[in-house]
Amino acid sequence: DVKVTQSSRYLVKRTGEKVFLECVQDMDHENMFWYRQDPGLGLRLIYFSYDVKMKEKGDIPEGYSVSREKKERFSLILESASTNQTSMYLCASSLSGMSNQPQHFGDGTRLSIL
Amino acid sequence: GDSVTQMEGPVTLSEEAFLTINCTYTATGYPSLFWYVQYPGEGLQLLLKATKADDKGSNKGFEATYRKETTSFHLEKGSVQVSDSAVYFCALSDSTNAGKSTFGDGTTLTVKP
Repeated sequence: DVKVTQSSRYLVKRTGEKVFLECVQDMDHENMFWYRQDPGLGLRLIYFSYDVKMKEKGDIPEGYSVSREKKERFSLILESASTNQTSMYLCASSLSGMSNQPQHFGDGTRLSIL
Repeated sequence: GDSVTQMEGPVTLSEEAFLTINCTYTATGYPSLFWYVQYPGEGLQLLLKATKADDKGSNKGFEATYRKETTSFHLEKGSVQVSDSAVYFCALSDSTNAGKSTFGDGTTLTVKP
């Protein structure tokens, strides 16, 4: 079974801090994704990576950046955390080149910015 | 662009009731269709999928049929259990969209004993 592991289940940070959310997958998937999930807004794609060092902006990239130095690891960075970035963050991975492949999700990181 | 529209929730049912959650989509290519389930405190997990027209996906008593003529992929279960209480997401993945998926807003199901 594919396992996607997010480094923290709960995280509390202060406004203005630089925050790192880490995600690791163990199935050699090319694609990795970061989403945020907010009540009433569903899942919104922040960033997408289709290969090492490759990234593409999603629907809401403002205030975020990402890093993919190794195939199995995809990091989401909040450059200067703000209270409106309090949310549930979900990482996912999938095989590339095949639209019939599902995404595999981690359990999420619930981030609170005070 | 691609879009997925799901039946709005929340949905509350009694145990052993019949469940339908409606999902319709628009897509530019030939999408694969998915239902994901999210239990409290967890991430999403694949429930079932269908990759071409008239395919039926099934798992854990849930079923959905890919209807190209009505652009729909409705989720059904004949007899729900309390343990089915969760949020259900309909999604599509389009071969023209570089591996990304489009998700519906999710439907919260609560099953009461």
